[in-house]
Amino acid sequence: DIVMTQTPLSLSVTPGQPASISCKSSQSLLHSDGKTYLYWYLRKPGQPPQLLIYEVSNRFSGVADSFSGSGSGTDFTLEISRVEAEDVGVYYCMQSIELPYTFGQGTKLEIK
Amino acid sequence: EVQLVESGGDLVQPGGSLRLSCAASGFTFSNYGMSWVRQPPGKGLEWVSAISNSGDSTYYADSVKGRFTISRDNSKNMLYLQMNSLRAEDTAIFYCARPSFGDWGQGTLVTVSS
Repeated sequence: DIVMTQTPLSLSVTPGQPASISCKSSQSLLHSDGKTYLYWYLRKPGQPPQLLIYEVSNRFSGVADSFSGSGSGTDFTLEISRVEAEDVGVYYCMQSIELPYTFGQGTKLEIK
Repeated sequence: EVQLVESGGDLVQPGGSLRLSCAASGFTFSNYGMSWVRQPPGKGLEWVSAISNSGDSTYYADSVKGRFTISRDNSKNMLYLQMNSLRAEDTAIFYCARPSFGDWGQGTLVTVSS
C-alpha cells in the first residue's frame, strides 16, 4: 500500500498569515497517462470532506484562490496564502493512483 | 447536481450485521466506479471498499476483507455495503463517495457496541 505522510499534524495560524502543509508518498503518484493522482481535502466539523485540489495543483470548483497545490512525484505541498477563520478543520492528502486509496494522517488547522 | 445519500447506519452488537445503501443522482451512475470511505470517531479517513462501474470488480481494505461485501444496482442507481461480523473498531461514519471527483454523501453512522 502507498503510505501518505503529512507534516505538520497541527498548525495554529494568525488570520491573514500563510500556512503550508507537506505530504509525502512512499511511491511516485505519476501515472503513465501523465497525470499525478494527488488530492487535497478539508474536513470541517459535522461536514463530509470537501475537495480543494485535484491532480496536485488544480483548484476544485468554488474553492478560494487563496488555496494552491504544488509538487511532483512523491513530494507535495498545500499552501494557503492568507488564512481565514473559515479555513479551520482537518486537511488530508489522498492518492488514487492505485487501490487501496490512502490518506495522510490529517493536519489540524486552528486559528490563533 | 451530484447527490449521494447514504442510509442504513445503526447501533449493532459485536458480531452483528448491517447493510448500508447509497442512492446516487445527478450523474450517469453506471459509468463510474464508486467507493465507501469511513472515519472512526477522532481518527482519520480510511478507504474501505470500491467497485467498478459494471460491478464486475470489487476491492477491499485488508481490515474488512472477508467481512464486508460491496455491490451495486445500476438499474436503480444504488450502491450497497453489506457488513458482517462487525467489530467495535468498525464504529465510524461511513461515506459513499467518488473521491477523485470530490463527490461525497453526508455519511451514515455505524456504532458497534454491546
